[in-house]
Amino acid sequence: LAKTTQPISMDSYEGQEVNITCSHNNIATNDYITWYQQFPSQGPRFIIQGYKTKVTNEVASLFIPADRKSSTLSLPRVSLSDTAVYYCLVEMDSSYKLIFGSGTRLLVRP
Amino acid sequence: NAGVTQTPKFQVLKTGQSMTLQCAQDMNHEYMSWYRQDPGMGLRLIHYSVGAGITDQGEVPNGYNVSRSTTEDFPLRLLSAAPSQTSVYFCASSGRSPRAPYEQYFGPGTRLTVT
Repeated sequence: LAKTTQPISMDSYEGQEVNITCSHNNIATNDYITWYQQFPSQGPRFIIQGYKTKVTNEVASLFIPADRKSSTLSLPRVSLSDTAVYYCLVEMDSSYKLIFGSGTRLLVRP
Repeated sequence: NAGVTQTPKFQVLKTGQSMTLQCAQDMNHEYMSWYRQDPGMGLRLIHYSVGAGITDQGEVPNGYNVSRSTTEDFPLRLLSAAPSQTSVYFCASSGRSPRAPYEQYFGPGTRLTVT
């Protein structure tokens, strides 16, 4: 399973756009890139998943360059409730084993 | 549809005691997993199962046993509790969803303290 590297923490203010970049140099051809969000005292929650180019849903966008060695999670106009830990993972399309890194702690300030 | 449920929510054990953490899902998912999360850390995979009767080890399996006799249930057994097993334990199940080939759904967690 490919290892991922992401910043330990980030600060932002309400209403700003937040971009969290994840590095995955050893990503395999069949791997998907998946992001999870975790609030204190809760289990992680799926945010978005992509394979290449750009994916957008009601919560976030995921940008993946052509070489797929990195990806960027974009959260538009964050609010205080977006304060959480965000995990970037890579997994095969049939994977059921998720290996979590330490994640990025996002703090959104008023 | 309750999703993934875990019991108990909290548990305190003495060193050497054994116990079973319960996990159940009602989404008919084949895949189920157990993770532990220590304070300020990411989740680490303990054991996983790809279907009834099939289990395998994850990153940190020592001191834990699992079995999968039904699709719905995946209990985690602590054989002889140690203070190093103080952690929050999450159960997850995964299945194909409209949003992802395999999306993992996590339970609310069991907070375990071993004294």
